[in-house]
Amino acid sequence: EADIYQTPRYLVIGTGKKITLECSQTMGHDKMYWYQQDPGMELHLIHYSYGVNSTEKGDLSSESTVSRIRTEHFPLTLESARPSHTSQYLCASSPGQDNSPLHFGNGTRLTVT
Amino acid sequence: AQSVTQPDIHITVSEGASLELRCNYSYGATPYLFWYVQSPGQGLQLLLKYFSGDTLVQGIKGFEAEFKRSQSSFNLRKPSVHWSDAAEYFCAGASSGGSYIPTFGRGTSLIVHP
Repeated sequence: EADIYQTPRYLVIGTGKKITLECSQTMGHDKMYWYQQDPGMELHLIHYSYGVNSTEKGDLSSESTVSRIRTEHFPLTLESARPSHTSQYLCASSPGQDNSPLHFGNGTRLTVT
Repeated sequence: AQSVTQPDIHITVSEGASLELRCNYSYGATPYLFWYVQSPGQGLQLLLKYFSGDTLVQGIKGFEAEFKRSQSSFNLRKPSVHWSDAAEYFCAGASSGGSYIPTFGRGTSLIVHP
């Protein structure tokens, strides 16, 4: 049973459109993450948050932005989608303790035409 | 740089055979180490984790992993593979005492032949 929800599961959109990928968790976790996943590649961290009003960029340069206004919600926004943004986006969360594993959503598969 | 490496992109085994998936890490101190599994169309699910203590850790679904400091490895094993084990497996590591941002390997795709 998933405690972290991502919507939509699949999205096909044209170049130049603004999109927001939603991520919500019901576990009260402080930390949340966005990873980009491409076949045969490492998961690349693009954004993370330690709590409300905390957001940081990850290792992978990204044209996306995030916000953390509420503990349970961590949306990712692309102001102008491009074909290079085509990928799978995974949202995850973890409690405050350093050694806690991540809980993942089922991902959003984005295709930009 | 701190990282984990999974040298095998694909592994093919017959159902009932034993399995070992390799993971090597590069960290200054003993890291936190994890194995996750991803079925098609799903997110990643935690199989097991290592923080300290006993170097052989047991996980869900009959998996285990052994931490070997001398080899900088954390290989995942299962004595008898089932067809339902076919999936993508990811090794991950995080620095102890640091910012704790997990880094992931590129994954190993497990194919199970009947």
